[in-house]
This record gives sequence, structure tokens and C-alpha cells, in this order.
Amino acid sequence: NAGVMQNPRHLVRRRGQEARLRCSPMKGHSHVYWYRQLPEEGLKFMVYLQKENIIDESGMPKERFSAEFPKEGPSILRIQQVVRGDSAAYFCASSPDGKTIYFGEGSWLTVV
Amino acid sequence: GENVEQHPSTLSVQEGDSAVIKCTYSDSASNYFPWYKQELGKGPQLIIDIRSNVGEKKDQRIAVTLNKTAKHFSLHITETQPEDSAVYFCAASGLGSGYNKLIFGAGTRLAVHP
Repeated sequence: NAGVMQNPRHLVRRRGQEARLRCSPMKGHSHVYWYRQLPEEGLKFMVYLQKENIIDESGMPKERFSAEFPKEGPSILRIQQVVRGDSAAYFCASSPDGKTIYFGEGSWLTVV
Repeated sequence: GENVEQHPSTLSVQEGDSAVIKCTYSDSASNYFPWYKQELGKGPQLIIDIRSNVGEKKDQRIAVTLNKTAKHFSLHITETQPEDSAVYFCAASGLGSGYNKLIFGAGTRLAVHP
């Protein structure tokens, strides 16, 4: 896990607010993945990005969720108008080559 | 798409015993099988992985075996210690696409009792 930095680690939002989760990949890694983990479940793939490009967003809900990985700065996972069902742990992972991936410590979102 | 099933969901062993966790996958195109350890409140940590051109891989007390014909792979932990207590996840993916879209099992909660 060393090197993949996620913040905030814990976030509480009221229903209808926006949640913005940030991920700084390991140095030299240009591939970023986002996964979601619901309580007592395994991780589910959401999206795969390379610098400035979304490669695979097949796991992203069609509405309210978006992700970006700009040329400069961290990757952002944005959830608009949060609902209680969005409460989960969101994990970012980075890779130097798209293959071996390393996870961050996660951001725990609680919607009240 | 790929589906990964993992058993058992919970496993309790005495310190020093061995622990075995098994996973099956559905997509014969999958060729990469990592195992992750997740401690409470932390992210998954890669502990060992195996690619489809290899049948077994060992790293100290941890080993993984792969049976491509039967489409199942297993994690073996020998001489378990209390610090091995965690949730373990298996995963599968096909690396042919150039990236690693991991499909995870539901996890096994391992408890090692002193």
C-alpha cells in the first residue's frame, strides 16, 4: 500500500451533497483504478484511467458518478447528490504498467 | 463476464496449523490470479500472485496453486500466526487487454487463535 495516497480517509456527507475523493498514485505510475467495497463484500471494479483518459468505466453507475485523472494533480472520483446506498469504502489503486496494481488505504464514505 | 467464487467465508484455525482458501473462476481467458490480505480499516495488500503459465508459486509460508483445467486456485498458509488474522480476497483477470480489471471473490475472514 505504500505510496498510493487517498484523501480524505473518512468523509461524512448528508443525502444530496457531493463527495469528492482524491487519489495520488505511486511515483511513476500513470495507471489508476477505482474500486468500491460495500460492507462485508469484495471489491467491485468501477473505472480505469490513464493520464487524461478514461479507458474503461464499465463499473461506474450511469448517473451521479464521474472520474478524472488530469495531466497534473490527483485522480478524482466525484459522486453527486449522494444517497445512503453510496456509503462504502472507495479504493484507488495505481500501476506502472496497467498490470500489477497496488491499492491505497481507502476512503470511507458515510452518507447520513 | 468473469465470476469468482471463494470458500470458505470464515475460517478459524489454531496457531501453527495450516489454512487453505479456495476460489473458482468462470472465464477460461483469465490468466492472472492475485491474492490480497485486508486488515480492518486498511486497503488490500498484495501477498502473492500467479499467472496461468505456472501451476504453483511459493513465498515463505504462503503458496498458491492453480488448476487451469478445473478453473480453480487456492491459497495455502502454513504455520499460521495470530498476525495472519485478516480478510483474504482472491481475484482473477485477463491481462490480454493490456490492463488489469480484477474480479474479486467475496472474501474469507481468517482467525488464527493463539
